[in-house]
Amino acid sequence: DTGVSQDPRHKITKRGQNVTFRCDPISEHNRLYWYRQTLGQGPEFLTYFQNEAQLEKSRLLSDRFSAERPKGSFSTLEIQRTEQGDSAMYLCASSLASLPSGNTIYFGEGSWLTVV
Amino acid sequence: QKEVEQNSGPLSVPEGAIASLNCTYSDRGSQSFFWYRQYSGKSPELIMFIYSNGDKEDGRFTAQLNKASQYVSLLIRDSQPSDSATYLCAVNKNYGGSQGNLIFGKGTKLSVKP
Repeated sequence: DTGVSQDPRHKITKRGQNVTFRCDPISEHNRLYWYRQTLGQGPEFLTYFQNEAQLEKSRLLSDRFSAERPKGSFSTLEIQRTEQGDSAMYLCASSLASLPSGNTIYFGEGSWLTVV
Repeated sequence: QKEVEQNSGPLSVPEGAIASLNCTYSDRGSQSFFWYRQYSGKSPELIMFIYSNGDKEDGRFTAQLNKASQYVSLLIRDSQPSDSATYLCAVNKNYGGSQGNLIFGKGTKLSVKP
């Protein structure tokens, strides 16, 4: 499978615990994005990387959230001290070049987080 | 005003009919426009993109863009039950030299009845 891979696909955690999601982008893609989607809403941008550099962060990305892409390949998204409002699907996506050239961003299958 | 607006639906059309999905956006500087399809519990998949005024056709799908009216639409001809999904409109917002992310609407739920 050469698509965007996310792990774990589902995570149930207790409020206050830390969770980490991993994303492996399509191998030749230099851009990697994290989005969050809740029921009935469209995906909301969180952050993106070009190679290992984190170029943009949404104000939605509170200080409890941290994302890394240390070697410009896979990325991790960590949520510290989880809250019930963090329950959502966390989507990773990757692309080869910047928009608006029309190059497609490809989404992974998402990581579902439930905070109880 | 939300940046990207879509009617949440549900939009119900009979099989074989044309489904028309609409989207408006607030930022006149937006450069590229995308339509994604999302089945329940799945991730979005790209249907097509458009960045010039006018129509762009791809199989049964036609995207239409009118930058003056800040309006983009998606037409699905010969709708099939398998087209039943939520359709997300997304806009690339140009932050000066940064062109990193897409702004999504809430999506329109389409139901195609056999």
